[in-house]
Amino acid sequence: AQSVSQHNHHVILSEAASLELGCNYSYGGTVNLFWYVQYPGQHLQLLLKYFSGDPLVKGIKGFEAEFIKSKFSFNLRKPSVQWSDTAEYFCAVRPGGYNKLIFGAGTRLAVHP
Amino acid sequence: EADIYQTPRYLVIGTGKKITLECSQTMGHDKMYWYQQDPGMELHLIHYSYGVNSTEKGDLSSESTVSRIRTEHFPLTLESARPSHTSQYLCASSEDDRGYGYTFGSGTRLTVV
Repeated sequence: AQSVSQHNHHVILSEAASLELGCNYSYGGTVNLFWYVQYPGQHLQLLLKYFSGDPLVKGIKGFEAEFIKSKFSFNLRKPSVQWSDTAEYFCAVRPGGYNKLIFGAGTRLAVHP
Repeated sequence: EADIYQTPRYLVIGTGKKITLECSQTMGHDKMYWYQQDPGMELHLIHYSYGVNSTEKGDLSSESTVSRIRTEHFPLTLESARPSHTSQYLCASSEDDRGYGYTFGSGTRLTVV
């Protein structure tokens, strides 16, 4: 079955630390890839997406993600986190020909000042 | 600010009661979705609709039902609530199926006692 794995359920960082959240998916064909973020008390919103082209995609608030097809991965990165990045981050995949998103379990990030 | 609204945000209800979770969007999107999310788990698609009078079951089996009589409205109903229905329910809408156009509501956290 198609699935999305997020390796870390909880991550705690200090401000200015670098961030990398892992995401792997199980589907061998064409995929569209997404990272969504949910700030405390708010709705899920799109952080960045990959459809085609340059595998390194940049999103809002200094986030970026790299699609590595050979590793079935789409890891999220930020060089220097801020307290305001405290949120839950969800990786999602849309396999080609499948019209819905498949989500991972989410990673809860806490950034301490 | 999301243009998709879910009510109520929180609901505690007794076993056996009938409940309806409301979801409305003002964007004119044809496609709407209901996801179920338990803490630390993936978001699972339970229902979706591609337009008025169109509803389909999602990947996760659910005892809930949905209706789509108007474009903007996609309510979810549980005829007889049970403790196993305790979860968070997220509604989303989109212009297309590719994923990047998903707009999520703030969710309804349901507790059945």
